[in-house]
Amino acid sequence: DSGVTQTPKHLITATGQRVTLRCSPRSGDLSVYWYQQSLDQGLQFLIQYYNGEERAKGNILERFSAQQFPDLHSELNLSSLELGDSALYFCASSVYSSGEFTDTQYFGPGTRLTVL
Amino acid sequence: TQLLEQSPQFLSIQEGENLTVYCNSSSVFSSLQWYRQEPGEGPVLLVTVVTGGEVKKLKRLTFQFGDARKDSSLHITAAQPGDTGLYLCAGGGSQGNLIFGKGTKLSVKP
Repeated sequence: DSGVTQTPKHLITATGQRVTLRCSPRSGDLSVYWYQQSLDQGLQFLIQYYNGEERAKGNILERFSAQQFPDLHSELNLSSLELGDSALYFCASSVYSSGEFTDTQYFGPGTRLTVL
Repeated sequence: TQLLEQSPQFLSIQEGENLTVYCNSSSVFSSLQWYRQEPGEGPVLLVTVVTGGEVKKLKRLTFQFGDARKDSSLHITAAQPGDTGLYLCAGGGSQGNLIFGKGTKLSVKP
């Protein structure tokens, strides 16, 4: 158990819909990262928040957005869903935001999104 | 763009065999990490290598970082069914995120 929790575990929805994925970081961690894992692309970085502020953006679509709340939990919002958005979405947390090797990222169990 | 290429993509071996997984890049990384991911779970960090030429051992797993810090390898001795999983290498991106290879799916048959 990494200490990072994600809900829901599974989500099935239809094209055009909007969903929200939730992540609670490990106690004491200020940074939250969101990753998408698909069969063809592997694990891709989406976005990072540090202590409530957006810190870095990766390959995140404009239809997707995220935020980190004062209690440090984070939500990833996916809208106008397409079939290709079906994937595993992981949240990871770390203490800092330096990207240094000492700043280990701990991953949650993921949310499996299926868009029908 | 920093990319990490892993090979082989799939590996199916018998219990007791040895294997090596490779992670290569044209870019220099300050550090590389190896993760193991099991179905339905998130990646779990196995090791971080930092210094060029560094070798780290974790029981039957040996990790090596290339001298030029562009490549790494994972060697498993006497593989066991419990070693089955997806092995991912990852390097630090310019934005503090992790850049992952696509992984090597290992299956060890008893």
